[in-house]
Amino acid sequence: GQQVMQIPQYQHVQEGEDFTTYCNSSTTLSNIQWYKQRPGGHPVFLIQLVKSGEVKKQKRLTFQFGEAKKNSSLHITATQTTDVGTYFCAGPYNQGGKLIFGQGTELSVKP
Amino acid sequence: NAGVTQTPKFRILKIGQSMTLQCTQDMNHNYMYWYRQDPGMGLKLIYYSVGAGITDKGEVPNGYNVSRSTTEDFPLRLELAAPSQTSVYFCASSYGGAKNIQYFGAGTRLSVL
Repeated sequence: GQQVMQIPQYQHVQEGEDFTTYCNSSTTLSNIQWYKQRPGGHPVFLIQLVKSGEVKKQKRLTFQFGEAKKNSSLHITATQTTDVGTYFCAGPYNQGGKLIFGQGTELSVKP
Repeated sequence: NAGVTQTPKFRILKIGQSMTLQCTQDMNHNYMYWYRQDPGMGLKLIYYSVGAGITDKGEVPNGYNVSRSTTEDFPLRLELAAPSQTSVYFCASSYGGAKNIQYFGAGTRLSVL
């Protein structure tokens, strides 16, 4: 069946270092979404990418959608303690408004 | 706007007990979802609904039931709770369609002992 895989599962960085998480789908996606979940919190939508090769930026966060629309990445430049949390990618699952989520990458930032 | 509201926030059940997790949204979204999240894992879809009166199974529906009598409410019923149902449960809603951004409630942390 359709799968969305994320790596790494965990990433520990020193404040100020960069961070990247990668998302790979077993099937071509019409779009991909990214969510952030703070410790003890709930997932919150960050961004959606739709076009092949698309790159979007939100301050220190850069999101990319692969040319084949089967992979995506989230890169954070100069991490801060406020970046702590788990980052999930999600793609449409079959049809009908469902999403399939990756396992998430948990980011911890040491001050 | 309250968004998506879930109750209760925490609950401890004994094996074999039943309970209903409540979810309501005030954004007039047609689509609603129930997920469970186990430690270190992603979100697994339990059930979803594309509108009042319409529900369908997700990835892990066994042991759960849902109903959708109104646009706003989407309760999740656990019958005969088992330790394997210890998890964090999230309800979400969306407009559906191409953009389909999902808005999540704060979650219900359930322990079955």
